[in-house]
Amino acid sequence: EIVLTQSPGTLSSSPGERVTLSCRASEFVITKNLAWYQQKRGQAPRLLIFGASTRATGIPDRFSGSGSGTDFTLTIDGLEPEDFAVYFCQQYGTSPITFGQGTKLDIK
Amino acid sequence: QLQLQESGPGLVPPSETLSLTCAVSGVSIDGSDYYWGWMRQTPGKGLEWIGSVYFTGKSYYHPSHKGRVNISVDTSNNQFSLEVPSVTAADTADYYCVRVAGAYSPVNWFDPWGQGILVTVSS
Repeated sequence: EIVLTQSPGTLSSSPGERVTLSCRASEFVITKNLAWYQQKRGQAPRLLIFGASTRATGIPDRFSGSGSGTDFTLTIDGLEPEDFAVYFCQQYGTSPITFGQGTKLDIK
Repeated sequence: QLQLQESGPGLVPPSETLSLTCAVSGVSIDGSDYYWGWMRQTPGKGLEWIGSVYFTGKSYYHPSHKGRVNISVDTSNNQFSLEVPSVTAADTADYYCVRVAGAYSPVNWFDPWGQGILVTVSS
C-alpha cells in the first residue's frame, strides 16, 4: 500500500502567517488523487481539498493545495485562529486508501 | 443538507461483536449514486478506511479487514451498519461513517463525515 509521510509533525506559527504542509507518497499517486482534511480537537475530519488542488465547498481561499506524483503541499496563506488544528492527507488513487499521520499546527 | 449520525454501544467486551449504525438524513440512500463508508481512528494507527457499501449491498473492504468485518445497508430505514466480530483491544477507536464522494466509486475522498463515536473494547 502507498505510505504517506507528512512533515513536519508539528508546526508552530502565528495568526496572519503563511504555512506550507508537506505530504510525500511512497509511490506515484495516480491522477492527483489526493485529498486534505482538517481535524479539530474532539471533532471529525473535514474535507478541505480533493484532486490535489480543488477546494471543497465552503472552504476559504486561504487554503490551497498543489503537487503531483509523489509530492504534495497544503498552503494556508494568512492563518486565522480557527486554523490551528491537525491536517491529514489521503490518497485514493490506489487501493487501499491510505492517510498520512498528520501535521499538528499550533499557535506559537 | 446531508448529515450522518453514528450510534451504538460505547463499550464492547472482548470477543463480542461491535455493531454500529449510521443514520443518513437529507438524502435517500436508495438509488443514490454514492457509496457509504466506515472509517476508524486510533492514536497508534491513525485514520483507517474500513470499507464501503452501495445501496445494492455491494461492498468493498480494506484488505486488512476483508473476511472479518461486514458492512450492510438498510434502505428502508436509510441507514447502513458495521459489524466487527470477536473484537480485541486493538479495535478500540473512534469510528466515523462517511459518504464516499464521487459517484459510483467505493474508493475516493470522503465528505461529509459523521461526528464519530468512541468504542472501547474492555470488560
